[in-house]
Amino acid sequence: KQEVTQIPAALSVPEGENLVLNCSFTDSAIYNLQWFRQDPGKGLTSLLLIQSSQREQTSGRLNASLDKSSGRSTLYIAASQPGDSATYLCAVKDTGNQFYFGTGTSLTVIP
Amino acid sequence: DGGITQSPKYLFRKEGQNVTLSCEQNLNHDAMYWYRQDPGQGLRLIYYSQIVNDFQKGDIAEGYSVSREKKESFPLTVTSAQKNPTAFYLCASSILTVLNQPQHFGDGTRLSIL
Repeated sequence: KQEVTQIPAALSVPEGENLVLNCSFTDSAIYNLQWFRQDPGKGLTSLLLIQSSQREQTSGRLNASLDKSSGRSTLYIAASQPGDSATYLCAVKDTGNQFYFGTGTSLTVIP
Repeated sequence: DGGITQSPKYLFRKEGQNVTLSCEQNLNHDAMYWYRQDPGQGLRLIYYSQIVNDFQKGDIAEGYSVSREKKESFPLTVTSAQKNPTAFYLCASSILTVLNQPQHFGDGTRLSIL
C-alpha cells in the first residue's frame, strides 16, 4: 500500500526567506502528485499538480518538482510571506484512482 | 461558480444517533470521495464512488455508510456504530475520464459528540 511522508512536520521561517517542503512516497507507480494548502478549519486548496511524466510545475512563487524513480517531491516557496502560513499537504494518485495523503507540513512565516 | 458544497459546517451528535453529512458538487465530476481528518494525521479515505449507484469502501469504512443516487450528491451517514466520530470530514471530487486532473475539496464539516 502506498505510504506518503512529509518532512518536516512543522517549519517556522522569517518573512522573505526561500523554503523547501519535502514529500516522499513508497510506490512509484503513480499517475500524478498534487500539492495542497489547508488553512485552519478549511478544506484543501489545490496549488500544483505534477503528472508522472513531468519533472516540475511552477505557479507564481511556487515550484514543485517530482522524482518518481526515487519517490520524492519538493515544494519550493520563494520569498515567503506571512500569508503563506498554512499547512501544506501532498497527495499521490495511484493507478486505481485513489489518492494517498501525507500528514502535512505546518508552515509559519514570521513578519 | 462551480464547486463542492458541504453542509452543515458544524454538527453535533448525541450518543446512539445517526447523522448525515451533505456533499453536493456542480463540477460534473465522476468520482466523489469522503475523507476523515484527525489532528496530526493525514486524510484517511472512508468511501469513494466512481459512478452513480456504485461505491467502494476506503481504509476506515466501519461505522459509516454512503449513497450515490445522483452524480452531484454523495451524502455520508455516521452511524451509532462509529464509536469515535469526532473529526473533520472532507468531501472531494475529481474527473475520471481525463487522468491528470486535480482533486477538488469542499470546506469540510466538523463533527463533535454532545
